[in-house]
Amino acid sequence: RKEVEQDPGPFNVPEGATVAFNCTYSNSASQSFFWYRQDCRKEPKLLMSVYSSGNEDGRFTAQLNRASQYISLLIRDSKLSDSATYLCVVNPPWGSYIPTFGRGTSLIVHP
Amino acid sequence: DAGVTQSPTHLIKTRGQQVTLRCSPKSGHDTVSWYQQALGQGPQFIFQYYEEEERQRGNFPDRFSGHQFPNYSSELNVNALLLGDSALYLCASSLAYSGGYEQYFGPGTRLTVT
Repeated sequence: RKEVEQDPGPFNVPEGATVAFNCTYSNSASQSFFWYRQDCRKEPKLLMSVYSSGNEDGRFTAQLNRASQYISLLIRDSKLSDSATYLCVVNPPWGSYIPTFGRGTSLIVHP
Repeated sequence: DAGVTQSPTHLIKTRGQQVTLRCSPKSGHDTVSWYQQALGQGPQFIFQYYEEEERQRGNFPDRFSGHQFPNYSSELNVNALLLGDSALYLCASSLAYSGGYEQYFGPGTRLTVT
């Protein structure tokens, strides 16, 4: 099993739709989790942190499920500008500094 | 507030050559990590520098080396280039005090090895 797995997609959705991505991880001792957004041929940009209690930022909601070892990202009311690749990042237990990125999930929002 | 900067933006090298990539961290950050991103893949961790020392290293050969300077800027050196080294090389900076996990990326250097 890969350390961090994401469905590469693409997820093709109309404007206004709600879409959700999951990211599973194998190390149950992982300490922190993030979602990044990466536009084509650009650098990843930090989207949001993921907490057990959930984290909401406008149309975006991130959740962590430690029991099932996955994190999720929900995007409501999708905009054309949301089209990008969404990368999840899983960070190891304290004392190690090697984060593991998923390969990303591609989202295409169409008119 | 200056973000992370990298130079050069693009580079073309021949197999066997050596290359040096440069990174300046976001203002106030003291930790620099380097990543390699192949097309269609997520970034792969190469190593991280803090207090001018390599703090952690990913699964990359010794041909990949780095350095951090007193002003926190960093260099990535790759020797004996292989075709498979062609990729986007990303530098990310963070603040050790906050755990170092919230990272901000530079625009990357796109390296092509022919």
